[in-house]
Amino acid sequence: DIQMTQSPSTLSASVGDRVTITCRASQSISRWLAWYQQKPGKAPKVLIYEASTLETGVPSRFSGSGSGTEFTLTISSLQPDDFATYYCQQYNSYLYTFGQGTKLEIK
Amino acid sequence: EVQLLESGGGLVQPGGSLRLSCAASGFTFSSYAMSWVRQAPGKGLGWVSSVSGSGGSTYYADSVRGRFTISRDNSKNTLLLQMNSLRAEDTAVYYCAAAASLTDAFDIWGQGTMVTVSS
Repeated sequence: DIQMTQSPSTLSASVGDRVTITCRASQSISRWLAWYQQKPGKAPKVLIYEASTLETGVPSRFSGSGSGTEFTLTISSLQPDDFATYYCQQYNSYLYTFGQGTKLEIK
Repeated sequence: EVQLLESGGGLVQPGGSLRLSCAASGFTFSSYAMSWVRQAPGKGLGWVSSVSGSGGSTYYADSVRGRFTISRDNSKNTLLLQMNSLRAEDTAVYYCAAAASLTDAFDIWGQGTMVTVSS
């Protein structure tokens, strides 16, 4: 199975900061990677798919990059609504796997 | 409105069974691959199982293979998950999710249903 490793596990930042979350795959997944945002008590919401394509309605301050085994999610200027937990997910194989999550906290 | 609504969660004893349902509306259900994803209390997301739009292809995580069965009824726009031989470690919120195909991200999610396995 493909393992997904996210870093950091927790990130403390302030409104207006630029932040980056990294996701590494244990083997190449081409660009078959999605990023999700989850808030407490709510279902996840897809932000980015195919590594860098922004889902309709997602603010342009979110961006994704990468291919192969290394990927990043960047938020260019943090807004209060962005404090949440973020997950990467590979869908290169039908045995989908998620990263362990990155909790973005207010500093 | 595009919507997924799970039901069927509850408290069950170890070794018991439970069947989860997910009712879809607002989109062409049969055109979408469907999946179950779970989240144990305070933990991250874990993929459980997926089924193709036609229902002809199914996939399972190693942790549930042989115990859980995913199926769908396209005439009723409903996804099912039959869970047998339940263990304490199956305790989680179970979400159903939809993707345009088996090789797409999950872009529609339900609100989740809680399953608790405890004596």
